[in-house]
Amino acid sequence: GENVEQHPSTLSVQEGDSAVIKCTYSDSASNYFPWYKQELGKRPQLIIDIRSNVGEKKDQRIAVTLNKTAKHFSLHITETQPEDSAVYFCAASMRSGGSYIPTFGRGTSLIVHP
Amino acid sequence: DADVTQTPRNRITKTGKRIMLECSQTKGHDRMYWYRQDPGLGLRLIYYSFDVKDINKGEISDGYSVSRQAQAKFSLSLESAIPNQTALYFCATSDSGRAATGELFFGEGSRLTVL
Repeated sequence: GENVEQHPSTLSVQEGDSAVIKCTYSDSASNYFPWYKQELGKRPQLIIDIRSNVGEKKDQRIAVTLNKTAKHFSLHITETQPEDSAVYFCAASMRSGGSYIPTFGRGTSLIVHP
Repeated sequence: DADVTQTPRNRITKTGKRIMLECSQTKGHDRMYWYRQDPGLGLRLIYYSFDVKDINKGEISDGYSVSRQAQAKFSLSLESAIPNQTALYFCATSDSGRAATGELFFGEGSRLTVL
């Protein structure tokens, strides 16, 4: 099955700095890569995703890049703010029977210091 | 707003007891999932269901069972709870078909403590 490695497990930055979280996956058939944000005590929510036919996607201060050859993808957050503090999960999945069954990384706890 | 609702939100029980966690959704989605979250281990899939007659094991199904009572309801059971099943459990849903985006919609979570 799919295996997703996520680094770092903890990331501490100053407000205004950039943050980068990296993930690798093992199954070359995976073609959908979502990122979820989980604030303290809350449920995970999708913040951005990328599909295998795209190399980069941006949404305001967040961006995701994908390198299919190397089987890795990354989340970039620019101009970090205290409200970006949360646990971030990457995932890799492939479409099967009309659905995607994601395999998640172990999560990165991002702490943004004011 | 359409949502995914889990009950109970918190439960403390003893080793050997049977526990049921329930999930209901008003999103109209056909796919439902149960995940377990442990600190440092991320979200691990226990079971998933594509429709009422379809149940599939995930990566950590041992010690758990599920029932899909209706398209909107998916329950998770621990037949004989043990302490290492102490965790935060999430139900999730997704839509299928040509318009499916792949996004999972999570419930608020059920925190289970087994003493």
